[in-house]
Amino acid sequence: KNQVEQSPQSLIILEGKNCTLQCNYTVSPFSNLRWYKQDTGRGPVSLTIMTFSENTKSNGRYTATLDADTKQSSLHITASQLSDSASYICVVLSGGSYIPTFGRGTSLIVHP
Amino acid sequence: NAGVTQTPKFQVLKTGQSMTLQCAQDMNHNSMYWYRQDPGMGLRLIYYSASEGTTDKGEVPNGYNVSRLNKREFSLRLESAAPSQTSVYFCASSEATRSTYEQYFGPGTRLTVT
Repeated sequence: KNQVEQSPQSLIILEGKNCTLQCNYTVSPFSNLRWYKQDTGRGPVSLTIMTFSENTKSNGRYTATLDADTKQSSLHITASQLSDSASYICVVLSGGSYIPTFGRGTSLIVHP
Repeated sequence: NAGVTQTPKFQVLKTGQSMTLQCAQDMNHNSMYWYRQDPGMGLRLIYYSASEGTTDKGEVPNGYNVSRLNKREFSLRLESAAPSQTSVYFCASSEATRSTYEQYFGPGTRLTVT
């Protein structure tokens, strides 16, 4: 069964600090992996997409990495801001499916 | 350009009542989806429509029906609501169901069934 596991479940950091969120998946065959940001009371919004051939991709202060061999991805947030407080969801699409597999998300709280 | 819109934003139903959740997108996307999101759970796919005129079951379709009214609109119906259907419902759309196309989500409908 395709699964996406995220860690930690929740994280609290101080404004200005960096943090890294983890995503492990068992989806096969792999097509792509997206990181979404979901603000409280809102729908998820895509931050970045990783395909098989990509190792690193940045979107402003967000940097995603992918290791297709170990089936792991990470999302690194640099110089966190209060507006980074949200749930971050890892989503993996299998090459043979129309249905993406969602992780349960990491809840990030940034304190001033 | 409103993106994906959903109505209503909030709804309270009694067990056994029926209702329809409405979704519309103005991005000319072919594919549309309905998800539910429960505390501590990932988003779970209820139904999807790869293109106008087609619908398919997702992971948790029991208790729901859908209609792809036209390319813009995709509705979700609860015929006889149950407390287990208390959840936040998200509609999404994308240019295609596979490849790298991004899913765009609506703001959600918060449904409580008592």
